[in-house]
Amino acid sequence: GESVGLHLPTLSVQEGDNSIINCAYSNSASDYFIWYKQESGKGPQFIIDIRSNMDKRQGQRVTVLLNKTVKHLSLQIAATQPGDSAVYFCAENVSGTYKYIFGTGTRLKVLA
Amino acid sequence: DAGITQSPRHKVTETGTPVTLRCHQTENHRYMYWYRQDPGHGLRLIHYSYGVKDTDKGEVSDGYSVSRSKTEDFLLTLESATSSQTSVYFCATGGGGNQPQHFGDGTRLSIL
Repeated sequence: GESVGLHLPTLSVQEGDNSIINCAYSNSASDYFIWYKQESGKGPQFIIDIRSNMDKRQGQRVTVLLNKTVKHLSLQIAATQPGDSAVYFCAENVSGTYKYIFGTGTRLKVLA
Repeated sequence: DAGITQSPRHKVTETGTPVTLRCHQTENHRYMYWYRQDPGHGLRLIHYSYGVKDTDKGEVSDGYSVSRSKTEDFLLTLESATSSQTSVYFCATGGGGNQPQHFGDGTRLSIL
């Protein structure tokens, strides 16, 4: 919701440009990662996921990169559109558990 | 559409009153979760369920209880609401490790 986004880092990009959103994950035992998009007043929406046996996975206009050495995840959005404006956050699943750890998120603003 | 309905969507109540939030799913998922979302924090797990009448605590379970008497319904109860429980509450299904969770659109709860 809106109150959640008050203190988030913001990435502003021009419409049509590519966006890169980064996430540092916390647990070296995590082996499954997810990116979510959250629009104001709505619940998080699944975008793309990746397992730890992969370095890269592509979806429609989105790519997730995983660097296990430095515990870093990134989301690339190609040809960013106004509808991409939202808060994006990553989540990690600790291997063998039901536990998911969520990042605090980055607000993406698309400039016309 | 993840087939998750949360009710109510908004609620204002007073300190000390009991509050129950409902999550209803239509996808027959085994796993269901309750999270709270607050500024400066990622989603934090309150309780989760891995089957009918099977529940366990998350990281912020104090002051909350849950019940799951049917696969499709997961209830979150604040026995005696406090102002620190003012938050946006999200229900999620799926997950269970190595699968994405899918979220409802949340309940905005204000405790005065």
